[in-house]
Amino acid sequence: DTEVTQTPKHLVMGMTNKKSLKCEQHMGHRAMYWYKQKAKKPPELMFVYSYEKLSINESVPSRFSPECPNSSLLNLHLHALQPEDSALYLCASSQGLAGNEQFFGPGTRLTVL
Amino acid sequence: GQQVMQIPQYQHVQEGEDFTTYCNSSTTLSNIQWYKQRPGGHPVFLIQLVKSGEVKKQKRLTFQFGEAKKNSSLHITATQTTDVGTYFCAGARTSGSRLTFGEGTQLTVNP
Repeated sequence: DTEVTQTPKHLVMGMTNKKSLKCEQHMGHRAMYWYKQKAKKPPELMFVYSYEKLSINESVPSRFSPECPNSSLLNLHLHALQPEDSALYLCASSQGLAGNEQFFGPGTRLTVL
Repeated sequence: GQQVMQIPQYQHVQEGEDFTTYCNSSTTLSNIQWYKQRPGGHPVFLIQLVKSGEVKKQKRLTFQFGEAKKNSSLHITATQTTDVGTYFCAGARTSGSRLTFGEGTQLTVNP
């Protein structure tokens, strides 16, 4: 299984809602990532988990809260988002951090009203 | 901080023409990766270059890593409509460090 899955595919939420994005991989990868991508822009790194521990937080606002319950799962909890947070949220995984290729999931298209 | 510049931003070609995108880093890189993102899709890994002066080929695609490990290029020979998408380079300053993505080159191929 060389796939990274993400749910939901699309999400529309109000600024007072709480929602979660989910990501799963069964490739035995020990590094997992959250990226944010705006239209016609490159993916922008948000968080990196290595061996289920948060290793990089790119100064992301606290309204985004990542969680890695186990080596296969990665969640992104969302609370009190702003309309400018609307974007494609991509999850990725890699075997390790050492310059390995990253496998991206299909993403969650988030719209904040 | 590390910056990775990529040009051109857009390229429109006729099917059968060649295409090249260039990537330049402000710092020496440990490795550089290339990804392709189809319209409406997600980035898909194409290749990784690690050695100075390295050249790798995948069918009609040729990837190069500069001698100083600060620049890279992707060349597509005889483009096809299936080559449509945005091509991103992504560099890492040290092995294990975060990838910094270039802005991408959006390729359109007219049949």
